[in-house]
Amino acid sequence: AQSVSQHNHHVILSEAASLELGCNYSYGGTVNLFWYVQYPGQHLQLLLKYFSGDPLVKGIKGFEAEFIKSKFSFNLRKPSVQWSDTAEYFCAVNGPETDKLIFGTGTRLQVFP
Amino acid sequence: NAGVTQTPKFRILKIGQSMTLQCTQDMNHNYMYWYRQDPGMGLKLIYYSVGAGITDKGEVPNGYNVSRSTTEDFPLRLELAAPSQTSVYFCASSPRSSASGANVLTFGAGSRLTVL
Repeated sequence: AQSVSQHNHHVILSEAASLELGCNYSYGGTVNLFWYVQYPGQHLQLLLKYFSGDPLVKGIKGFEAEFIKSKFSFNLRKPSVQWSDTAEYFCAVNGPETDKLIFGTGTRLQVFP
Repeated sequence: NAGVTQTPKFRILKIGQSMTLQCTQDMNHNYMYWYRQDPGMGLKLIYYSVGAGITDKGEVPNGYNVSRSTTEDFPLRLELAAPSQTSVYFCASSPRSSASGANVLTFGAGSRLTVL
């Protein structure tokens, strides 16, 4: 069965600090990978996705993620965070032969001015 | 477009009561999902549907039922509410690309359910 692990449960940063959130998955086949974000009081929305091709994908608001197949990882990065990036971030995975999208437990990011 | 609409936004139930969470989407998506979100647990898939008349269990289906009589609607029913079902419930839909197999979800605003 596929699963997703996010080891950083709560991250606290100052504005302009760099961010990297870890995401590891277990799935034997070809995968599609996603990062979703949930801003305070809002519903989840897509931040970025990887289907195939260039393993470095860029999303909205300056976020990017790198798919490293050998490490089963899809870490999220941002060079310089802003206070408005305060949110909960979820990694998710599904394989093309399965209809289920499985989420990690989420990472709560707090950015202080 | 309204996207994915969930009702009600908030509900308090007594143990043993039943209720239905409604979910409607106007994007003609074939795929629909119900997740529950609990603090520190992320989102857990309850049930999903790949089209009208077809439903399947997710990770945590016990205590819930679903139906999919139309493409637009995917209600979630709690038959005998228990405190463990206190959670925030999210409905989502996806067009699902048959070529890539990728699954980009559009979420509803959520329904906060408390069982006392």
